[in-house]
Amino acid sequence: QSALTQPASVSGSPGQSITISCTGTPTDSGTYNLVSWYQQFPSRAPKLILYEVSNRPSGVSDRFSGSRSGNTASLTISGLQAEDEADYYCCSYGGSRTMVFGGGTKLTVL
Amino acid sequence: QVQLVQSGAEVKMPGASVKVSCKASGYTFSKNALHWVRQAPGQSLEWMGWINADNGYTSYSPSFEGRLTITRDRPATTVYMDLSGLTFEDTGLYYCARHLDSGDHIQYYYGLDVWGQGTAVSVSS
Repeated sequence: QSALTQPASVSGSPGQSITISCTGTPTDSGTYNLVSWYQQFPSRAPKLILYEVSNRPSGVSDRFSGSRSGNTASLTISGLQAEDEADYYCCSYGGSRTMVFGGGTKLTVL
Repeated sequence: QVQLVQSGAEVKMPGASVKVSCKASGYTFSKNALHWVRQAPGQSLEWMGWINADNGYTSYSPSFEGRLTITRDRPATTVYMDLSGLTFEDTGLYYCARHLDSGDHIQYYYGLDVWGQGTAVSVSS
């Protein structure tokens, strides 16, 4: 399975909403919901922010939301804040008992 | 609290092997799968493989097939990642990560909710 495709960078101003796409996610009925998203700050371990496409772990802001359509999953961050500036990675089931990550998207808050 | 603590940085020669440990605490070790994820300098995350901490079953990325072995020691609640035949391209940060709780049956692909601090592996001659 090839890496999932994400835009290399996105940007937005404080208060705005941005969406990061992730293309290449599964479409089969048994695996289409196996999409997760991670936030990573420099020199820090990744942090899970969404699982099963749109579920937020406890403690994650509801400004983070997820959706999917066809083979593309999306992460939306609403009410953008300076502290959201980080790298974001999608991840999905890759077939044959594997997982695959996207190439990552650098979010810049202007 | 749930915690994964990894072993310290390693420097290896090309062709050598490296073994990184990941000590789990704060939860029932046998109830979750544990994954390994690599990140080369300035690059994206790369999934390596997982192990079922209960029965020891594993699955590996084809990118590492034949070079990667993941094992676990249940009494010690520790998982190990052993990578052989190291090349310069194996330099990077190696993370262990726990699959989130999924009820009675261990799952593998929903999401990784707890991560270790990472172990730097440098391959240099």
